Amino acid sequence: DAGITQSPRHKVTETGTPVTLRCHQTENHRYMYWYRQDPGHGLRLIHYSYGVKDTDKGEVSDGYSVSRSKTEDFLLTLESATSSQTSVYFCAISESGYGYTFGSGTRLTVV
Amino acid sequence: GQQLNQSPQSMFIQEGEDVSMNCTSSSIFNTWLWYKQDPGEGPVLLIALYKAGELTSNGRLTAQFGITRKDSFLNISASIPSDVGIYFCAGHPIYNQGGKLIFGQGTELSVKP
Repeated sequence: DAGITQSPRHKVTETGTPVTLRCHQTENHRYMYWYRQDPGHGLRLIHYSYGVKDTDKGEVSDGYSVSRSKTEDFLLTLESATSSQTSVYFCAISESGYGYTFGSGTRLTVV
Repeated sequence: GQQLNQSPQSMFIQEGEDVSMNCTSSSIFNTWLWYKQDPGEGPVLLIALYKAGELTSNGRLTAQFGITRKDSFLNISASIPSDVGIYFCAGHPIYNQGGKLIFGQGTELSVKP
């Protein structure tokens, strides 16, 4: 399909545990993004990357960290999951920074 | 942070009706994009607009980049059941850094056969 895969697709975890979500692309695109989607808020940017080891914060970055050691992988880590981080997480890629392609999402539930 | 105001939040229409939704901002945007999200999937790009006043069609969909560069609208003509989903406007504000897209809150469209 679009060459972007998110894993896992669904996860249930307990409060206080660390969680890592993975985004993998086969398009060799420079830019990668992590968004969360919540009712009434649309899509909000968590972190983004403009190259290997080059990352920056988005508007809702508290409680999240990211790493990009290879062009194709962008990892999102919740250091200590909280119930407010229950959400659907989307990864997106872009070659130029315009017009994103999104993955199918990861539904995360923190209990 | 920067917000796009998208309206309406939801629409319930009859098959065959036309649909109109819009997005406004207090800031100037240099790109407007419209996405559609089907249940359980990520958003998919429908139309991209790059110039003020630009009017672009994609089948039954038509979108315009507002002259003031602070708004955009999307029209769907003769709706069909597969038009159901959430429609998002998105854009790159003129002060854009790192290619970050700003998204509206979404318009949820329901179509009754």
